[in-house]
Amino acid sequence: SAVISQKPSRDICQRGTSLTIQCQVDSQVTMMFWYRQQPGQSLTLIATANQGSEATYESGFVIDKFPISRPNLTFSTLTVSNMSPEDSSIYLCSVLEDRNSPLHFGNGTRLTVT
Amino acid sequence: GQQLNQSPQSMFIQEGEDVSMNCTSSSIFNTWLWYKQDPGEGPVLLIALYKAGELTSNGRLTAQFGITRKDSFLNISASIPSDVGIYFCAGPSYNTDKLIFGTGTRLQVFP
Repeated sequence: SAVISQKPSRDICQRGTSLTIQCQVDSQVTMMFWYRQQPGQSLTLIATANQGSEATYESGFVIDKFPISRPNLTFSTLTVSNMSPEDSSIYLCSVLEDRNSPLHFGNGTRLTVT
Repeated sequence: GQQLNQSPQSMFIQEGEDVSMNCTSSSIFNTWLWYKQDPGEGPVLLIALYKAGELTSNGRLTAQFGITRKDSFLNISASIPSDVGIYFCAGPSYNTDKLIFGTGTRLQVFP
């Protein structure tokens, strides 16, 4: 299966700042998604990263807060903007290699906002 | 919307014991996936189920796709310390590629 690399693996950020998380895959994949996992919780889908066009956001998530880029079939970024302590979570990149494959995850970015 | 409820929420067992956990939904799923998440890592796929009634094994793990398509079970036999982690069931949201995740079962194994 595809190897998914996320950077940074963790960060501690000040309130009001922004952080961009990168997701690099070692092969072209059909779909890329971004999930959030709040402390002690399950995974919640933030958005589908669409290649060459605006991401598709789930209810409760907006582009101004979580801008996403996907310039090609192997790379995507998620920015957490104007951070507050409530944004402290693990952010996970996931990919579908093709529509017949199950979803695979990167190791996540553990974000702490102080 | 579709939801996946897992039980139990957490388990504390002795090494060598068998473990059973389940995942239920009020709506039908066409695929059931079981993931394990170790601390500090992303979820890793354990087993994928694609047909109602299907029973699939992966080493000491066995998972079943419920006949009603509204539930799935994961069993772990002869547990070992490295089985510690959080187990999530997941299934695709109706007519999409987007996965919905269950609430998770946290497993702790004592030597």
